[in-house]
Amino acid sequence: DIQMTQSPSSLSASIGDRVSITCRASQSISSYLNWYQQKPGNAPKLLIYAASSLQSGVPSRFSGSESGTEFTLTISGLRPEDFAVYYCQQSYSTPWTFGQGTKVEIK
Amino acid sequence: EVQLVESGGGLVQPGRSLRLSCAASGFTFDDYAMHWVRQAPGKGLEWVSGISWNRDNIDYADSVKGRFTISRDNAKNSLYLEMSSLRVEDTALYYCAKDMGGGGIAPSLDHWGQGTRVTVSS
Repeated sequence: DIQMTQSPSSLSASIGDRVSITCRASQSISSYLNWYQQKPGNAPKLLIYAASSLQSGVPSRFSGSESGTEFTLTISGLRPEDFAVYYCQQSYSTPWTFGQGTKVEIK
Repeated sequence: EVQLVESGGGLVQPGRSLRLSCAASGFTFDDYAMHWVRQAPGKGLEWVSGISWNRDNIDYADSVKGRFTISRDNAKNSLYLEMSSLRVEDTALYYCAKDMGGGGIAPSLDHWGQGTRVTVSS
């Protein structure tokens, strides 16, 4: 199985900050990487698919990039509604695996 | 508007069975693959199973293989998960999720239900 490792596990940031979350795959997954946001008590929401494609309706302050087996979700200008847990998920080979999550908290 | 509504969860003893359902609306159900993803209390997301639009492609996580069966009824716009030989570690919130594609290959899950809770305990 492909292991997905996110870092950091949690971070504290202020409104307006630029925040980056990293997801590393245990092997090459090409660009088969998705990012989800989950707020407490809610279902996950797709933010980014295919490593860098913005899902319809998602604000442009969210962006995704890749370098080899390392993928990055960046939030440019953190807003109050962005405090949540973020998960990466590989869609290269089954079983489709998620990272352990990164909790973004208010500083 | 896409809607996914799960049902069928509950409290069940270890070793027993349970059938989850997901009623879909707001999109052409038989064009898309569908998946079940679970989340244990306080934990992360775990993909459980997926089925392509035409049922040709079905996959399971190793943790449920041989115990869970995914199915769909395109005429009823419904997805199902038959769970047997349930274990304490199957306790979780089970989400139904729509794939952006139809084949169940390289899934991106663009819509999710609110989940149905399964508790396995004696």
